[in-house]
Amino acid sequence: DSGVTQTPKHLITATGQRVTLRCSPRSGDLSVYWYQQSLDQGLQFLIQYYNGEERAKGNILERFSAQQFPDLHSELNLSSLELGDSALYFCASSATRRTEAFFGQGTRLTVV
Amino acid sequence: DAKTTQPNSMESNEEEPVHLPCNHSTISGTDYIHWYRQLPSQGPEYVIHGLTSNVNNRMASLAIAEDRKSSTLILHRATLRDAAVYYCILGYNQGGKLIFGQGTELSVKP
Repeated sequence: DSGVTQTPKHLITATGQRVTLRCSPRSGDLSVYWYQQSLDQGLQFLIQYYNGEERAKGNILERFSAQQFPDLHSELNLSSLELGDSALYFCASSATRRTEAFFGQGTRLTVV
Repeated sequence: DAKTTQPNSMESNEEEPVHLPCNHSTISGTDYIHWYRQLPSQGPEYVIHGLTSNVNNRMASLAIAEDRKSSTLILHRATLRDAAVYYCILGYNQGGKLIFGQGTELSVKP
């Protein structure tokens, strides 16, 4: 158990819908990262937050947004969902920007 | 972002050592070398990291070339549980994001 909790574990939704994925980092970790893993793209870095502020952005679509709240949990919002958004979404946390990251078990999103 | 090159797959026998290579010829002076692995149906898991000197921990050893253009992850005695995709990543220079490549899929035969 990495200490990073992601909910829900599985999510099935229709095209065009909007979903929110939640991540609770390890206690005390200030940095949160979001990744998308699909079969043909591997693990893609989406976005990083550090103590509530956005720090780095990767290949995150405009339809996707994220935020980190004062209690340090984070949410990834995916809107206008397409079939191609079906993937595993991982959240990771680290104490600082220079320490190892701990990954959650992921949320499997299926868009039908 | 500096890039790493790893073999797509490797095979090992159980209880034998495994050497997983990684090339990173464009590494910068402040890049740490990180290794993560992803077991089937799980999130990635930290293995080890280093900057210049060789590093050991309970999971593995990391051997870093003197010019830092390559490194090798060493699993001293592979077990069936070590079958996973191993990722070599350069990071933590500015911002801390980890950029994963394709990794090396390690299979371990009993």
